[in-house]
Amino acid sequence: NAGVTQTPKFRILKIGQSMTLQCTQDMNHNYMYWYRQDPGMGLKLIYYSVGAGITDKGEVPNGYNVSRSTTEDFPLRLELAAPSQTSVYFCASSYGQFNEKLFFGSGTQLSVL
Amino acid sequence: TQLLEQSPQFLSIQEGENLTVYCNSSSVFSSLQWYRQEPGEGPVLLVTVVTGGEVKKLKRLTFQFGDARKDSSLHITAAQPGDTGLYLCAGEGAGNNRKLIWGLGTSLAVNP
Repeated sequence: NAGVTQTPKFRILKIGQSMTLQCTQDMNHNYMYWYRQDPGMGLKLIYYSVGAGITDKGEVPNGYNVSRSTTEDFPLRLELAAPSQTSVYFCASSYGQFNEKLFFGSGTQLSVL
Repeated sequence: TQLLEQSPQFLSIQEGENLTVYCNSSSVFSSLQWYRQEPGEGPVLLVTVVTGGEVKKLKRLTFQFGDARKDSSLHITAAQPGDTGLYLCAGEGAGNNRKLIWGLGTSLAVNP
C-alpha cells in the first residue's frame, strides 16, 4: 500500500516558470489537502478537496491552482513561480471526517530562483 | 485568530531521560491531533484526543488533553534516539469551525 505519493521530490524553478506538483493516493480517501511548510511559519493550508470535482481555497491560495478530476489525484499548479513560493509542499489525504487523521506524502522541496 | 503555541521550541536530551512538551491555546478545540515529522518526510499521526481530560498512551508516549480542551501535553518516558523528530500538534476548531490550526512544533533530539 503506497499511501500518498508526491512527485517530484526536489525541483528548482526560475522566476516566472510554471510547474505542476503531482499527488496521488491509493487509499480511496475523499479528502485531500495541499500544505506548504516554511521555517518558523508552520504548516499552511493552500487548497483542499472534499471529493472529486470539488475544491476550495485554504489560508494561502494566491499563486496556486488545483483540480480534482478523480478521487486518487490532486495536482497543484504554480503558474508564474515567485521566490515567495520557495517552500516544502506536502499533499495529504484523510477519510471519515474532514481534517481528521491526515496521511501525508513525503513532500516536494521547491526552490524558485 | 486561533493560535496554538508549542513549547519548548527545541529540546536536546540524553537517551533514557523523560520529557514533556506542551501545546497551548486560548481557544477551545473539538479535538487535538499529535504528529511526528522526521527530516525529509511528511508528518505522521501519533494520536487524536477528543474528550476533555482524556489521557492516551502509545508505548512510552502519554498524551493528555486539558479539561477545558484548550491545551495538551505529550510526555515521553525513557526517550530513545528513534524518538528524534519534530512534534506537531494540530487543533480542530469547535462548533461549525472545522479549521485545523497547527502549532509550529517542538524539535526533539535524543542523543545516544
